Amino acid sequence: ILNVEQSPQSLHVQEGDSTNFTCSFPSSNFYALHWYRWETAKSPEALFVMTLNGDEKKKGRISATLNTKEGYSYLYIKGSQPEDSATYLCVSNTDKLIFGTGTRLQVFP
Amino acid sequence: DVKVTQSSRYLVKRTGEKVFLECVQDMDHENMFWYRQDPGLGLRLIYFSYDVKMKEKGDIPEGYSVSREKKERFSLILESASTNQTSMYLCASSSGLAAQRNNEQFFGPGTRLTVL
Repeated sequence: ILNVEQSPQSLHVQEGDSTNFTCSFPSSNFYALHWYRWETAKSPEALFVMTLNGDEKKKGRISATLNTKEGYSYLYIKGSQPEDSATYLCVSNTDKLIFGTGTRLQVFP
Repeated sequence: DVKVTQSSRYLVKRTGEKVFLECVQDMDHENMFWYRQDPGLGLRLIYFSYDVKMKEKGDIPEGYSVSREKKERFSLILESASTNQTSMYLCASSSGLAAQRNNEQFFGPGTRLTVL
């Protein structure tokens, strides 16, 4: 993989549902993987930076895992809330930063 | 609260105009970046700077130039705007050496530029 691919492109869930997204990235020359949360009309905000294979990070109801050998990361949101509605960006750091196109999450009350 | 600010949220310009997009950060960061975001594509790096008066081309520098006269300010210049430069432009900054690539980037809110 030369690009960063995120799936799904968009997701609509009900409040209280748990959800997860996938980020696939180039596994060669891996340095770090970043997850950002980007709300409409606001600046993207960093959620996690992960560097080690097997890393798991957690912030409240949001967690992420990293597999550098196979080149993927999962982002999980437990019990989604309307305020979780945003685009979630994955960024791969190899010899350059490569941005995914994001997963747009909409949580309905 | 750390801040990256951009001079305009929305901008409408005509083809051939010279356009300045300004970005200011108050975190004393060494590194600053300009990206553009287009539908269906990830953010693409236009230019970056790792020190005052220093600049490096990113992936898509054609049609753009930059200026970094002061550490806190990084300007993106469209010498002669064209319709294919209609896009969302995001500025970002980060601390440390450029080689410390796991440093978090702090983004501005973006400028949506429309070139008619």
